[in-house]
Order: sequence, then C-alpha cells, then structure tokens
Amino acid sequence: DVKVTQSSRYLVKRTGEKVFLECVQDMDHENMFWYRQDPGLGLRLIYFSYDVKMKEKGDIPEGYSVSREKKERFSLILESASTNQTSMYLCASSFGSTGYGYTFGSGTRLTVV
Amino acid sequence: QQQVKQSPQSLIVQKGGISIINCAYENTAFDYFPWYQQFPGKGPALLIAIRPDVSEKKEGRFTISFNKSAKQFSLHIMDSQPGDSATYFCAALNYGQNFVFGPGTRLSVLP
Repeated sequence: DVKVTQSSRYLVKRTGEKVFLECVQDMDHENMFWYRQDPGLGLRLIYFSYDVKMKEKGDIPEGYSVSREKKERFSLILESASTNQTSMYLCASSFGSTGYGYTFGSGTRLTVV
Repeated sequence: QQQVKQSPQSLIVQKGGISIINCAYENTAFDYFPWYQQFPGKGPALLIAIRPDVSEKKEGRFTISFNKSAKQFSLHIMDSQPGDSATYFCAALNYGQNFVFGPGTRLSVLP
C-alpha cells in the first residue's frame, strides 16, 4: 500500500526555533510537495520538488525552506518559527512529470508558542 | 485565474439525503478535476476524479457532474451516511503544473 509518512503528528515549538518537518514516501515517486492547511483557506502550496536536489517555490514560500537529498525524503524547514506558522502541514507525493493523483501524509500539527 | 471556488463552506445533511458540493474554475487549461476526502486527523485522500471529456462519473454513491461550458463541477453523495462526515476538497490540475485546491467543505451527516 502506498505510503507517505510524516515523522511527527504533533509538534510544539517556541518562537525563533529552527523547525524540521520530515516526510518520507515509499512509492519511488518523483514529485513531492509541502502544503499548509488552515481553516477557510484550504491547502496552500509552500514548496515542491520534481527530483532529487531540485526545489521550487510554491504560493507561500516565505519563512520556509526545503531539502531533498534523497528521492524518498523531503524536509520542510522553518528557519525561525513564528506564531503565524502555527498550522497543519501536509506532505504529498505523486508519480510522473505532472503527478495526477497525490498521496498525502497524515499531517503534522505544528503549534508555535 | 488559478483559483478554484468551492461552496458551501459547510453542509449539514440528514442520513439518507443527498449531499451536493459545487466548484467553479476560470482556467480553461485545467484538464483533471479530482475530489479529495479528509477525515479529522488524516491527510486528504483521493475520492473520485474526472477529465473534461466526460460530463459525469459515478463510483458507488459518489458522482461527479462536470459542466465544461459553465466551468463548473460538483460532487454528489447519494444516500449520505454519518461515515461520510468529513471535509471535501475539489481541485483542478493543468498538465505540467501543480494542483489548485478549493477551500474545502465540511460535511456533517446527522444520524
């Protein structure tokens, strides 16, 4: 069964901390994505990657960076966490150059205090 | 033009009723329209999807109706059950681009 695993379900971090959110997929998918989900705003794309070492900014990249050193792993980094980054973070992956049909992880609910 | 509008924001339906969620888009280059279902504490999961060359697709109790000229598509859940209570997202994809998601509809099916 296809799987996208996010390392933490819940995280509480302090303002100014550097935060790492990890995502691993076991489907040999080329494409990986990070979204944040907020009530009334739906899913907003932060960063995505179509290949190892490759990364592209999504719609809301400010305050975030990513790393993809291996095909199966895509990390989201909050350089200096702020309270407005409190959110649900969802990782997704897909196969192929366009990626019809995403597989999502279960999400990480991050609270910045 | 990349936006996908979705309504209603929330929906309450009695068990056995029909749930209808509507989406509209502007970009005529979109060529794939999926619906995702998300239960609390879980990530969204693909429920059903349609391409613009057909007007309707049915899978069990779930049906997508697609109106290309109006640039609208909708999800119909027949015989709604309490287990269908979830948040539903419509989305649209343009070949070579990324998904654009609607803001979501929270469905509650009362027993």
